[in-house]
Amino acid sequence: DAGVIQSPRHEVTEMGQEVTLRCKPISGHNSLFWYRQTMMRGLELLIYFNNNVPIDDSGMPEDRFSAKMPNASFSTLKIQPSEPRDSAVYFCASSLARQGVAKNIQYFGAGTRLSVL
Amino acid sequence: AQSVTQLDSQVPVFEEAPVELRCNYSSSVSVYLFWYVQYPNQGLQLLLKYLSGSTLVKGINGFEAEFNKSQTSFHLRKPSVHISDTAEYFCAVSSLQTGANNLFFGTGTRLTVIP
Repeated sequence: DAGVIQSPRHEVTEMGQEVTLRCKPISGHNSLFWYRQTMMRGLELLIYFNNNVPIDDSGMPEDRFSAKMPNASFSTLKIQPSEPRDSAVYFCASSLARQGVAKNIQYFGAGTRLSVL
Repeated sequence: AQSVTQLDSQVPVFEEAPVELRCNYSSSVSVYLFWYVQYPNQGLQLLLKYLSGSTLVKGINGFEAEFNKSQTSFHLRKPSVHISDTAEYFCAVSSLQTGANNLFFGTGTRLTVIP
């Protein structure tokens, strides 16, 4: 298994620029989650999808953030325009949402470390 | 709604000593419980999980946790820690309700193993 794949691993950009983070979930998984981790706020759930449909985006900080999942094997998190306070590590996770043992076990990618100057 | 409280933000412990990382949860429904570990500059890895059955759960790297429903706790233990156990540990809870498969994480406990 390749696991959850995130790209890029590191991103450095200037304030005002558009940033796009990418995630490829584990094949066969039907739920995908985007998290943000900072020293001040810890691990925050931004949004999650079931079967490519956004279920809960209440954690998205503001309109500058948007997420899409055009198909079962790809998702993006976009920040436009970016600000220094968006600097954080962004994680993607996927899971297989069904009744039984595998339910709710999330598998995390290695994360994207974003620095907005 | 569910929530998780990790009472200790940092736990220093000497190598080969035992350790307990505390986790308490709050929920109005039955839950699944998890511990994840995050090594420096890496993503989170599942350490162990409680879904049903025996309340004592064994995970990877010699860790175990005990589900205590009356005390709403799921403390993580290891009888003898190694330097390599130095990491951040997150407790998480999820509802058993169908379709509700998002996790609620605690704020994390940083375990530092001292040589």
